[in-house]
This record gives sequence, structure tokens and C-alpha cells, in this order.
Amino acid sequence: QQQVKQSPQSLIVQKGGISIINCAYENTAFDYFPWYQQFPGKGPALLIAIRPDVSEKKEGRFTISFNKSAKQFSLHIMDSQPGDSATYFCAASAGDYKLSFGAGTTVTVRA
Amino acid sequence: DAGVIQSPRHEVTEMGQEVTLRCKPISGHDYLFWYRQTMMRGLELLIYFNNNVPIDDSGMPEDRFSAKMPNASFSTLKIQPSEPRDSAVYFCASSLSVSPGIQYFGAGTRLSVL
Repeated sequence: QQQVKQSPQSLIVQKGGISIINCAYENTAFDYFPWYQQFPGKGPALLIAIRPDVSEKKEGRFTISFNKSAKQFSLHIMDSQPGDSATYFCAASAGDYKLSFGAGTTVTVRA
Repeated sequence: DAGVIQSPRHEVTEMGQEVTLRCKPISGHDYLFWYRQTMMRGLELLIYFNNNVPIDDSGMPEDRFSAKMPNASFSTLKIQPSEPRDSAVYFCASSLSVSPGIQYFGAGTRLSVL
């Protein structure tokens, strides 16, 4: 049973477009929500993370939106580039140590 | 720093054989995590260590799986005996206690059990 539900499973976006990935959770004890990016043949790498005390965090073209009342959070990739083509995982933890990962979203950016 | 180093990168073995996966965490990191990634189950945490001590092994699927961390720079994940359903990519990750949620992953070991 996955504690973090992620959608969509995959998406295709044109270069310059916006990619949006959504995640939902039930455990109200979760207090740390990172996103990881994984390229084929590589391990996941931390992209950006947020805590529940803020509703949005932006780093370059990547933005996390967080809705505590709805227990949902999302990743927006603005001005998507071919180099952004990867699998993205949302995750959550209570106290940071034990991350529960979503199923992953494969993003393909068409040039 | 070279990052988290895992070996071997690929392992092919026959059912019933013992398999040992190895991990060298980033120097100075005091948390070490072992994950398994499959298409069906995604990325699952198997076990994690703090200062070489196992803290939570609730994700270890069966007694056939065991993990050790004899010192701060080395950990092993052993499967004995191996079964075809153990085929997966196994990742090791490490982090600092001041920021345990920022985990640095190795490149993984792709295990195929025939």
C-alpha cells in the first residue's frame, strides 16, 4: 500500500510547455515533502523539497505547490526542456528519515 | 567527493545462489539507506542505519535478506538464497543527520536472478 499516490504515470509536453505532476497523501504526520529526479541508469537525485509551513517553493524553473488542507502537493516544471526528460518521484516523511515514495511520473519533453 | 559508490553495477546469478551487494556512503554521512526499485512496487525502503546501527528493518521482505554496516564507510546487503522475484535495482543512499531527508543515491545495482 503506497502512502503517497502520484499522477499521472507519464506525460508528454512540448519544449517550452509546463509539466504538472500531482501527489496526495493521507498520513497527517508527514512533515517533509521532497521531489526526486531520476535519469535512466542513474539513482534518484533530490530536486526540490518543501515543508507544510509554506504553500509554495520555487527553485529556477521548478515549483512545488502545497495544499495542507487537501493533503496534496504538486510539481510544476516551467519552460520544459528536453534535458528535463526523466522520471520524477514525489515522497513524504514524518521526521525526515523514512521516505515514502510515489510511483513515479515519466516526463518526456518533445523538441 | 565521488558520491555514493555501489558495486557491482550489474549482477546476474542463478536461483539459490548467495548475492552480496556493496555500498560505500559519502564520507562523513551518518545515515545509510538501502532501497529496492521494481516496476510493480516502485521504490521501497528496505532498511536504514544511523552511525552503523540498524534503526528500521521493517522493509526487509524476508529472512533471506540481511544487511550489515561494519564501519562508517561500508555496508552490504545480502540475499541468501536468491529467487527470481528478487530481480530488481537495489540502491544505496546516504545522508547527514542534520538533513536526513536530503538523501544522496548511488547508481544502483541491477540484479537479475535466473
